Amino acid sequence: EAQVTQNPRYLITVTGKKLTVTCSQNMNHEYMSWYRQDPGLGLRQIYYSMNVEVTDKGDVPEGYKVSRKEKRNFPLILESPSPNQTSLYFCASNPTRGQGENYGYTFGSGTRLTVV
Amino acid sequence: AQSVTQLDSQVPVFEEAPVELRCNYSSSVSVYLFWYVQYPNQGLQLLLKYLSGSTLVKGINGFEAEFNKSQTSFHLRKPSVHISDTAEYFCAVSTSGGSYIPTFGRGTSLIVHP
Repeated sequence: EAQVTQNPRYLITVTGKKLTVTCSQNMNHEYMSWYRQDPGLGLRQIYYSMNVEVTDKGDVPEGYKVSRKEKRNFPLILESPSPNQTSLYFCASNPTRGQGENYGYTFGSGTRLTVV
Repeated sequence: AQSVTQLDSQVPVFEEAPVELRCNYSSSVSVYLFWYVQYPNQGLQLLLKYLSGSTLVKGINGFEAEFNKSQTSFHLRKPSVHISDTAEYFCAVSTSGGSYIPTFGRGTSLIVHP
């Protein structure tokens, strides 16, 4: 089944303790992205990647890191989490290659992160 | 840069009634338009998309949307809703010729009452 898999689904952590949320897709998509979803704010893009070793900041990158060493994986790293990073996080992928094709995103099921 | 406005944060409706969720966008270049649905405790799922061609787009679960270039709108409609349509709906826009990075609206919560 074609899908984007995020882990974990739920995570409670303490301020300052480094964590990684994993994201993997099995569709050979080039484009991957991380979003956070907060009430009243909709989805805001954190980071995106156009291909392996190519990443760039989205609208709210502060406090986050990403890497794209392989096409299928795009982990989100919080080096020193803070309570304002408590949110619902989504990973998404898209096969778009900038050639006039845009099939829309496939989203993961989400990771609900609480930082206390 | 593009932007998306979903005019209603919440739309309550009775079962079997018609519904329209409004979306307006702003962009100086050609756009691709999307509607996504998010059921409770789930990720977003693509409902329908407009890339080119016919301005009336049909999606899953009986939804359709119409692209109106002059009014820069892409409203989502369903002639008769079910309880199971209760969800959050997001409109998104991306532009051609670039990185195709989409911008999402803030979402509209559709609440279907029995």
